[in-house]
Amino acid sequence: GDSVTQMEGPVTLSEEAFLTINCTYTATGYPSLFWYVQYPGEGLQLLLKATKADDKGSNKGFEATYRKETTSFHLEKGSVQVSDSAVYFCAFSGGGADGLTFGKGTHLIIQP
Amino acid sequence: NAGVTQTPKFRVLKTGQSMTLLCAQDMNHEYMYWYRQDPGMGLRLIHYSVGEGTTAKGEVPDGYNVSRLKKQNFLLGLESAAPSQTSVYFCASSYLPDSGVYNEQFFGPGTRLTVL
Repeated sequence: GDSVTQMEGPVTLSEEAFLTINCTYTATGYPSLFWYVQYPGEGLQLLLKATKADDKGSNKGFEATYRKETTSFHLEKGSVQVSDSAVYFCAFSGGGADGLTFGKGTHLIIQP
Repeated sequence: NAGVTQTPKFRVLKTGQSMTLLCAQDMNHEYMYWYRQDPGMGLRLIHYSVGEGTTAKGEVPDGYNVSRLKKQNFLLGLESAAPSQTSVYFCASSYLPDSGVYNEQFFGPGTRLTVL
């Protein structure tokens, strides 16, 4: 069935390090792909999205490219900050109104 | 513009008690959703609605009921709470897809429910 696989962490990095969080999905058709971020005690916020193959979503220095050939949507940032510490969720919308399919989330910890 | 709001923020119930969680959105969205978030499980869809007066089951609907009497509100009910329903509950809403492209969902701040 439809699913999202992402590294669960926690992932601990030093400030200014390069970040990659891998995400692969299993879905039929042409889903829309999303990265959401959840800060402690808060709800989920959309970080970026891509709706078709080879699209690149970007926001706040984060980027992810929709790779249909590898069914991947890896999240990257060139230089992380302490304020980026949060849980990051990869998700897709598979072509119906029945909600998003989420990965289990990756807990990112950035140390000064 | 408040976006998606949820009431209450926290609640503690005893096994067998009932309660209703309220979700409200002021963005005129057609679609609304209830998810639960458990450690190591990500978010799982409980029920959803594609419009006023309609509801449908998601991945984990057992033990929950929902109603969408008004377009802006989506209620989640627990008739007889169980400890397994201890979780953080998130409501979300979304607008109609554009030309087959499915759009992002907007989330509320969550309700933390503990069932003793």
